[in-house]
Amino acid sequence: NAGVTQTPKFRILKIGQSMTLQCTQDMNHNYMYWYRQDPGMGLKLIYYSVGAGITDKGEVPNGYNVSRSTTEDFPLRLELAAPSQTSVYFCAAGGRTYEQYFGPGTRLTVT
Amino acid sequence: DQQVKQNSPSLSVQEGRISILNCDYTNSMFDYFLWYKKYPAEGPTFLISISSIKDKNEDGRFTVFLNKSAKHLSLHIVPSQPGDSAVYFCAKETSGSRLTFGEGTQLTVNP
Repeated sequence: NAGVTQTPKFRILKIGQSMTLQCTQDMNHNYMYWYRQDPGMGLKLIYYSVGAGITDKGEVPNGYNVSRSTTEDFPLRLELAAPSQTSVYFCAAGGRTYEQYFGPGTRLTVT
Repeated sequence: DQQVKQNSPSLSVQEGRISILNCDYTNSMFDYFLWYKKYPAEGPTFLISISSIKDKNEDGRFTVFLNKSAKHLSLHIVPSQPGDSAVYFCAKETSGSRLTFGEGTQLTVNP
């Protein structure tokens, strides 16, 4: 039972490039979330999903897109990467309680 | 609108003593609070939670206290162990199973 997995672990992008951060969960949870964490800051919600086919913006959605075609997968797409998107990205999954289970994170650098 | 604030970026305690981590919040419309623990290069892991119908919740060495009149949350770790050294985030329910996180407090437990 892997919980929440994220790929890749690390990535360096050039300004203007695009990429997709992958997130998969095997807990059959309806709710999934994408956060970013900047140094010395808490976790900021980018997008979330309450079930397959349903997504909504969080606190900092600009420059990102998501899709949720299955319960298991919740990829995060960065279009036209900018240095401000340098961060650590965490995916999480949760059920009907408020506890969320996090993946190990993706460290992204945009130069 | 900073709904959750952790005013101490760091805390250092001796092994065996008590660690007290603090968190203040605004907007008490929602009533569920959580603490997460994060080791370097890992995702946050759920530690303990409390509903606003309670003022205390205990799980082994970890106790969370909720003071609703002061809008203050604290996490007590007794006795502290070197393995407790990590960043601790408090979080509160916002809406739709979303959480708002504080900035985190780095706890260091010295042997």
